[in-house]
Amino acid sequence: GQNIDQPTEMTATEGAIVQINCTYQTSGFNGLFWYQQHAGEAPTFLSYNVLDGLEEKGRFSSFLSRSKGYSYLLLKELQMKDSASYLCAVNTGGFKTIFGAGTRLFVKA
Amino acid sequence: SQTIHQWPATLVQPVGSPLSLECTVEGTSNPNLYWYRQAAGRGLQLLFYSVGIGQISSEVPQNLSASRPQDRQFILSSKKLLLSDSGFYLCAWNVDTGELFFGEGSRLTVL
Repeated sequence: GQNIDQPTEMTATEGAIVQINCTYQTSGFNGLFWYQQHAGEAPTFLSYNVLDGLEEKGRFSSFLSRSKGYSYLLLKELQMKDSASYLCAVNTGGFKTIFGAGTRLFVKA
Repeated sequence: SQTIHQWPATLVQPVGSPLSLECTVEGTSNPNLYWYRQAAGRGLQLLFYSVGIGQISSEVPQNLSASRPQDRQFILSSKKLLLSDSGFYLCAWNVDTGELFFGEGSRLTVL
């Protein structure tokens, strides 16, 4: 079967660093994506990993270990506007991308 | 630049009524098109995808159907809605297997 697991909720303080983990078990793997989704809105693309290692993009970084079926999204210098859900998604091959249930991040002052 | 638009944004429908959600993409040719559904507190569920005009792949057995009458138009339909069809419907596009670009979403409430 296909399974993507991530924590349901996390809380962090403004200015801090937070790491959101994602583990996956899929029948195929052709890349892992992270999306941000504010309440009531559509998801927007944050990052993409297809090889092992760290990808950095401004305040956001994403890490992948294919052998462990593991990824994390690191958010630095948290801002109130970072309060949102963060979705881990895996392209399982071809045109199929499956999503985890998302992690709701609350940033407090 | 590429844009994606879907409508209507919100709709409330009685059980047993029909449904039609429409999605159009501009600024790109031959995109892959997708319909996802997001139930409250749950992840996005892939419903349909299409790699070309008239080509539809269904991922989940249900009372929904999809059609792609033109290259950049994707339609989600139902003849008779069920309570369980309530949710947030998202149209998306990409090229190859790259990141997905989502429309604004359509929130459906079936009563």
